[in-house]
Amino acid sequence: EVQLVESGGGLVKPGGSLRVSCAASGFTFSSYNINWVRQAPGKGLEWVSSISPTSSHIYYADSVKGRSTISRDNPKNSVYLHMDSLRAEDTAVYYCARGGPGGQYFDYWGLGTLVTVSS
Amino acid sequence: SIELNQTPSVSVSPGQTASITCSGDQLGDKYVSWYQQKPGQSPLVVIYQDTKRPSGIPERFSGSNSGNTATLTISVTQAMDEADYYCQTWDSSWVFGGGTKLTVL
Repeated sequence: EVQLVESGGGLVKPGGSLRVSCAASGFTFSSYNINWVRQAPGKGLEWVSSISPTSSHIYYADSVKGRSTISRDNPKNSVYLHMDSLRAEDTAVYYCARGGPGGQYFDYWGLGTLVTVSS
Repeated sequence: SIELNQTPSVSVSPGQTASITCSGDQLGDKYVSWYQQKPGQSPLVVIYQDTKRPSGIPERFSGSNSGNTATLTISVTQAMDEADYYCQTWDSSWVFGGGTKLTVL
């Protein structure tokens, strides 16, 4: 059974930093793109970042580019999203989502971890 | 990147057919996926690559995509189908529509 479990969310002050993690199981982790998608309270879905199986291709949404770094550790079946210079508008549930075959959609999602940016 | 537009809300009676649309410039030239999200839950893909249903998704869910509009159709809608539905495509990055709240009443 494919499982994605996010962790690391919490309350952080504006301008602060945070790293969220995604632990995967139930599939050959090193063969799949992994993505972060966020959802602000009461709002829609927003793709944030994507990393290819060997980390050779990394992409960021304009809203987080320059402030965020995605990485993965294939032996540990884990993906990380490090976010700096956090703003109130970064407050959201951050979901880890596996890229489906072809990479253009998301076939499995975790339960998410809530990041709250507030003073 | 493309902008995807969805009607904010759609209502349907139980047993009837619900149609949820997603529009964008030349959207028919791209693959569209649809996600169902119930309150307090993670999104669940119900249609990918325009028309394909993942295993476990009921046959009453179907999709189409042509011209500038993609459509998610739910036939014989049930109360359990009440949820937010998001379309999504890839156009140099991954893009979501704003979502449609489906009410079954």
